[in-house]
Amino acid sequence: SQTIHQWPATLVQPVGSPLSLECTVEGTSNPNLYWYRQAAGRGLQLLFYSVGIGQISSEVPQNLSASRPQDRQFILSSKKLLLSDSGFYLCAWSGGVYEGNEQFFGPGTRLTVL
Amino acid sequence: GQQVMQIPQYQHVQEGEDFTTYCNSSTTLSNIQWYKQRPGGHPVFLIQLVKSGEVKKQKRLTFQFGEAKKNSSLHITATQTTDVGTYFCAGWNYYGQNFVFGPGTRLSVLP
Repeated sequence: SQTIHQWPATLVQPVGSPLSLECTVEGTSNPNLYWYRQAAGRGLQLLFYSVGIGQISSEVPQNLSASRPQDRQFILSSKKLLLSDSGFYLCAWSGGVYEGNEQFFGPGTRLTVL
Repeated sequence: GQQVMQIPQYQHVQEGEDFTTYCNSSTTLSNIQWYKQRPGGHPVFLIQLVKSGEVKKQKRLTFQFGEAKKNSSLHITATQTTDVGTYFCAGWNYYGQNFVFGPGTRLSVLP
């Protein structure tokens, strides 16, 4: 069966510090991968999605970046965090054949920038 | 760009009452998906609707996709405290280029 891992579960970082969040998927090949951010009590904002290694699409301009160094690994990074980067970061995967496949979410990382 | 709206934003019901949330897209959708997020948790896929006018049921939950494929609804019959959470709709636009989540409807069920 497929599983998706995210770490860390919680993170408190000072403004201006770097960020690296990692997401890995097991049990599937060539998945579509997604990074979302959810502000407290709000909806899901799609940040990045990837249909393959090295292929990243950005949905919103920001100081975050994403990379996909391996088929089942998706990394979210920042060189300098802003206060507005606080939120709940969710990684998700879906089948890579048809865009309409459902998305499976990881447990998320709660990031607080102070 | 494609926008997906949901109403109501919040709903408080007494246990046993029915609940409905509505999802409306600014563009025609190729499909609609529904997710549930429990407080403190991550979204969990519930169902996907693809066909115009499609209706699907999961126990007390009934999902409907509009004829024009621009709106959808989720109806819960006789709510239970386990139904508490935020319900999101999400959809791909007709050409499969954009996938957008609605802002969600937060359901509270009072025992």
